[in-house]
Amino acid sequence: GDSVIQMQGQVTLSENDFLFINCTYSTTGYPTLFWYVQYSGEGPQLLLQVTTANNKGSSRGFEATYDKGTTSFHLQKTSVQEIDSAVYYCAMRDCNMGYKLTFGTGTSLLVDP
Amino acid sequence: DMKVTQMPRYLIKRMGENVLLECGQDMSHETMYWYRQDPGLGLQLIYISYDVDSNSEGDIPKGYRVSRKKREHFSLILDSAKTNQTSVYFCASSSPRTGGNTLYFGAGTRLSVL
Repeated sequence: GDSVIQMQGQVTLSENDFLFINCTYSTTGYPTLFWYVQYSGEGPQLLLQVTTANNKGSSRGFEATYDKGTTSFHLQKTSVQEIDSAVYYCAMRDCNMGYKLTFGTGTSLLVDP
Repeated sequence: DMKVTQMPRYLIKRMGENVLLECGQDMSHETMYWYRQDPGLGLQLIYISYDVDSNSEGDIPKGYRVSRKKREHFSLILDSAKTNQTSVYFCASSSPRTGGNTLYFGAGTRLSVL
């Protein structure tokens, strides 16, 4: 079945540090890939969608790319701020599986001021 | 205003009691979801509903059932709750009219089963 692996459970950075989060995916279909962000006390919300391999999506200073060859996708930000502290989830939708979204296990980002 | 509302926000129940979690959305979205969120496991899909009375099991449906009698409401029912159903439950909605790719989540219900 479809799966998404997100290895980094927790990341601690200082303000203005570079952020890089990586996920790998497995599917027999045609994936659409996403990054969701969850702030404390809220539900997840869509941050970025990446639909074309080697093309970047960008939002709020974050960039996302995916590599079809290595079945991996990445989220990065050049200079994180304290307000970026949140849990980041990668997710995948297989077009052959309807509207089911499979999530990774989440990366908790803490940015120290 | 695009909103998914979950009630209640916090709930404490005893093992064996029945639990009803309610979710509403004001976007006329056809598709609705129930996920649970546990530390180290992320978000796991319990049920997905494609419209009124059109529900499908997700990845972890055991111990749960759902009801969707109106497009804007989707309920999650735990008959005889178990302690391992202590979790945070999220409802979400989406629409194929907008590609179906963006899920709108509620703020969650934190359920403790003692």
